[in-house]
Amino acid sequence: TQLLEQSPQFLSIQEGENLTVYCNSSSVFSSLQWYRQEPGEGPVLLVTVVTGGEVKKLKRLTFQFGDARKDSSLHITAAQPGDTGLYLCAGALGGGGADGLTFGKGTHLIIQP
Amino acid sequence: DSGVTQTPKHLITATGQRVTLRCSPRSGDLSVYWYQQSLDQGLQFLIQYYNGEERAKGNILERFSAQQFPDLHSELNLSSLELGDSALYFCASSVEQGFKQYFGPGTRLTVT
Repeated sequence: TQLLEQSPQFLSIQEGENLTVYCNSSSVFSSLQWYRQEPGEGPVLLVTVVTGGEVKKLKRLTFQFGDARKDSSLHITAAQPGDTGLYLCAGALGGGGADGLTFGKGTHLIIQP
Repeated sequence: DSGVTQTPKHLITATGQRVTLRCSPRSGDLSVYWYQQSLDQGLQFLIQYYNGEERAKGNILERFSAQQFPDLHSELNLSSLELGDSALYFCASSVEQGFKQYFGPGTRLTVT
């Protein structure tokens, strides 16, 4: 059973388009992180959200944590080829992340020029 | 560059063998986490150490073990290797038992 479900699994769009990636669970998380991973490299932390309903913006990326802290979304505006990569959401079940992170299987994003 | 280092980058070994993967956390980080990434299972949490003590266990097999040394570097030992152990192994670190985990570049293990 996958605790964190990400959708879509694959997404290929044209440069300049907008997109949203979803991360859903039936469990409540104390915090949720989004990572981006390039092939053969380690995941790179993009953002951490901790409060239900929280919205964080990172340039063209907008991250939202659901009110019940069970889901999250990542919205990219005017996607660029440099946004191509594997986007992973990861939740901490225990306080302070003491139990390690639970990862979704990721969204493979391709931005075509 | 996250500041987390892992060696070796690649490792090829045969079934039944034992290997050791090494991780040095970011300067000042006390917590080290180990993860396994495979195509079918995604990223799976294996084990966490905090300031030398085991803190939490995830989906770690009994054939696998880890430790964190006084200088805070950590080693993951994999023994009686099977073909299914082929995967990317990542180490991550955080300041305390915090949720902001920074990942190393990984070790790609291939068991033949």
